[in-house]
Amino acid sequence: EAGVAQSPRYKIIEKRQSVAFWCNPISGHATLYWYQQILGQGPKLLIQFQNNGVVDDSQLPKDRFSAERLKGVDSTLKIQPAKLEDSAVYLCASRLPGGGRQETQYFGPGTRLLVL
Amino acid sequence: AQSVTQPDIHITVSEGASLELRCNYSYGATPYLFWYVQSPGQGLQLLLKYFSGDTLVQGIKGFEAEFKRSQSSFNLRKPSVHWSDAAEYFCAVTSGAGSYQLTFGKGTKLSVIP
Repeated sequence: EAGVAQSPRYKIIEKRQSVAFWCNPISGHATLYWYQQILGQGPKLLIQFQNNGVVDDSQLPKDRFSAERLKGVDSTLKIQPAKLEDSAVYLCASRLPGGGRQETQYFGPGTRLLVL
Repeated sequence: AQSVTQPDIHITVSEGASLELRCNYSYGATPYLFWYVQSPGQGLQLLLKYFSGDTLVQGIKGFEAEFKRSQSSFNLRKPSVHWSDAAEYFCAVTSGAGSYQLTFGKGTKLSVIP
């Protein structure tokens, strides 16, 4: 079974530029998460989707970050304009919608962003 | 709100030695606990998880973890470390019913000396 796919793997931009990340979850996984992992820290949830609806975006800095999952499959996370402190690895994860709390989240390889 | 503490930022062990990585959690209800491993440039891979039953959980790659409710701990162990185990290890706990979000600790980086 194919895993969670993310692209690009690496991105270098200057501050105030915009950037977008793409995620394709495991087939059949209706729940999708975006996490931000700053160097030296654990991943922090940014946004959670169930199909094409937002379940929780309380930790998403909405003045500069946006995310969508229009058809309930692929998702895009955008930053506009980027700040130096946005330098991090952006991880996408997916899971089956049922199964309770023990259901595993599967993670993609991440996109490493460097803002100069 | 739930939280996870991993007291050790960096641990170095010799190949063949035993390993224990510490994890303490704070959660109001019965916790569901996970250990993930992250190799350089890679995403997170699940090692094992606990949600009920036997408090000693077996995982992949020879890892095990023990849930101790009285100590609010979920420590990860391996009897004999291999050089390929060098990576960063994250403990996580789920949130309440419905959203099943993971709250992670800050991670422990493991270095293995040949």
